[in-house]
Amino acid sequence: DAGVIQSPRHEVTEMGQEVTLRCKPISGHNSLFWYRQTMMRGLELLIYFNNNVPIDDSGMPEDRFSAKMPNASFSTLKIQPSEPRDSAVYFCASSPGFEQYFGPGTRLTVT
Amino acid sequence: GENVEQHPSTLSVQEGDSAVIKCTYSDSASNYFPWYKQELGKGPQLIIDIRSNVGEKKDQRIAVTLNKTAKHFSLHITETQPEDSAVYFCAAMGTSYGKLTFGQGTILTVHP
Repeated sequence: DAGVIQSPRHEVTEMGQEVTLRCKPISGHNSLFWYRQTMMRGLELLIYFNNNVPIDDSGMPEDRFSAKMPNASFSTLKIQPSEPRDSAVYFCASSPGFEQYFGPGTRLTVT
Repeated sequence: GENVEQHPSTLSVQEGDSAVIKCTYSDSASNYFPWYKQELGKGPQLIIDIRSNVGEKKDQRIAVTLNKTAKHFSLHITETQPEDSAVYFCAAMGTSYGKLTFGQGTILTVHP
């Protein structure tokens, strides 16, 4: 299996612009997670889905963030409008049960 | 919610030595404890995990121990090699199924 696939790997955008991050989970995994990693706050869970349904979005920082999972093989995390403090590495992970497998991440820089 | 503390924040060892990283957790109902290795520019990689009904698990040079009474678990790496150098994260899954809380990470450096 190719593992979790994320795109783009790097994104540089200006403050106020919309950013969309994409994730393809491992086939057969029924849970998908979005994390954000920064030096100050470490790894934080933003939202997770089970069978394409959002289960817990309590980690989403504010209304500027939204996530969707229209089918079992695709999810998006959108930030609109983006701000410099959103600069971080965003990871997607998928799971068949307990174990979570991470993608390579998207490094987002908002200037 | 769950809180996970990890120590030390940095660890430097000589090749061939052992390395131990310790974590404590707050939610006594937590039942799953994975360890991840993260190399520069990559995503966290699951290296070993343990569930609450097991006290110890070993996989080649890596072992994890769990003390549920004291609410702490540890990662042990024996015969360290330079390629073990990375950031290691512990995590705990509490009562919210699927929701992992991560420690702050340990930067392990293995000197040849």
